[in-house]
Amino acid sequence: GENVEQHPSTLSVQEGDSAVIKCTYSDSASNYFPWYKQELGKGPQLIIDIRSNVGEKKDQRIAVTLNKTAKHFSLHITETQPEDSAVYFCAASKGANNLFFGTGTRLTVIP
Amino acid sequence: NAGVMQNPRHLVRRRGQEARLRCSPMKGHSHVYWYRQLPEEGLKFMVYLQKENIIDESGMPKERFSAEFPKEGPSILRIQQVVRGDSAAYFCASSSDRNSPLHFGNGTRLTVT
Repeated sequence: GENVEQHPSTLSVQEGDSAVIKCTYSDSASNYFPWYKQELGKGPQLIIDIRSNVGEKKDQRIAVTLNKTAKHFSLHITETQPEDSAVYFCAASKGANNLFFGTGTRLTVIP
Repeated sequence: NAGVMQNPRHLVRRRGQEARLRCSPMKGHSHVYWYRQLPEEGLKFMVYLQKENIIDESGMPKERFSAEFPKEGPSILRIQQVVRGDSAAYFCASSSDRNSPLHFGNGTRLTVT
């Protein structure tokens, strides 16, 4: 089955700086790569996703890049704010239903 | 526009009891997924259901666990004869079709004492 690895496990940045989280996947047939943000006591919230026919996608301060050849994808958050502090999960799947999640990155934005 | 609703939010069961977790998908969504999350870990897929059908149960333990999504009413994840290792957060997600993004509820935190 699919195996998704995520790094780093924890990340601290100063407010206003950028944060980058990286994931690799093993199954070349995976074609859907969402990113979720999870705050304490809540469920994962979809923040951005990308499909394998696209190399990059942006939504305001958030961007995701995908390198199909190397089988890795990254989340970029620019101009970080304290409310960006949360645990971020990457995932990969064929289609969109059986998601395989990474182990999460705890992002702390220091005011 | 209500999101995915899960109840109860917290559930405490003694070893050997049954746990029933309920999930109402977002309005208009007919695909439901259950995931389990252990502390400090990612979510692990358990089962994927459409109305009255189990589509993929490859992540479900073979014994004690079952899931249903009846024609009327919420999806139910049932765990019989719970053991301490079942303690986890159980998340339900829904989507409008099998290729659309998943939207998660806030989970049920099960504690087995």
